[in-house]
Amino acid sequence: QKEVEQNSGPLSVPEGAIASLNCTYSDRGSQSFFWYRQYSGKSPELIMFIYSNGDKEDGRFTAQLNKASQYVSLLIRDSQPSDSATYLCAVNYPNDYKLSFGAGTTVTVRA
Amino acid sequence: NAGVTQTPKFQVLKTGQSMTLQCAQDMNHNSMYWYRQDPGMGLRLIYYSASEGTTDKGEVPNGYNVSRLNKREFSLRLESAAPSQTSVYFCASRRTGNTEAFFGQGTRLTVV
Repeated sequence: QKEVEQNSGPLSVPEGAIASLNCTYSDRGSQSFFWYRQYSGKSPELIMFIYSNGDKEDGRFTAQLNKASQYVSLLIRDSQPSDSATYLCAVNYPNDYKLSFGAGTTVTVRA
Repeated sequence: NAGVTQTPKFQVLKTGQSMTLQCAQDMNHNSMYWYRQDPGMGLRLIYYSASEGTTDKGEVPNGYNVSRLNKREFSLRLESAAPSQTSVYFCASRRTGNTEAFFGQGTRLTVV
């Protein structure tokens, strides 16, 4: 079983809509969670991180964490064509410096 | 503002050849990582180094070796390249176990 699973996509949304991305993880003791964005042919770059249960907002992005259900999500509000990219969920494991990634969800925002 | 620097950016190898991918960071980070990225598979961890002097296997270590040369540098070696090792390789570093990772620009490796 993969340690980090993401909804497979691809996800196509119209401009201005909300894109919803989900990620589940296997280790209940995981402590920190990251969302990265990767444009085609480029390196991943951090969008958000979250450590505590609940919501965390940064501009048009909201990360949601539910440790009891072992999932973390990312909402992109008012989606723009520039948001078209692959979004990677990463999970940090306790007592370990390993940082594991999901397979990514490709988002396309239609103008 | 160099951040994480990987060399080379592109490489073509013949099956059975060896090579070393170099990675250096100038952010005084403790932990460093090597990932490979194949279409539809996200980033898969090959090896990581939690701190200078330590290395550990990740998900897909077979066919690779690493060296944490010092705090700045973490190299990845392919002893006998195989076509299955054709991939994009990313090096990353971070300050501690709970902080964000910063990535290099990637190395596109083709083994023919």
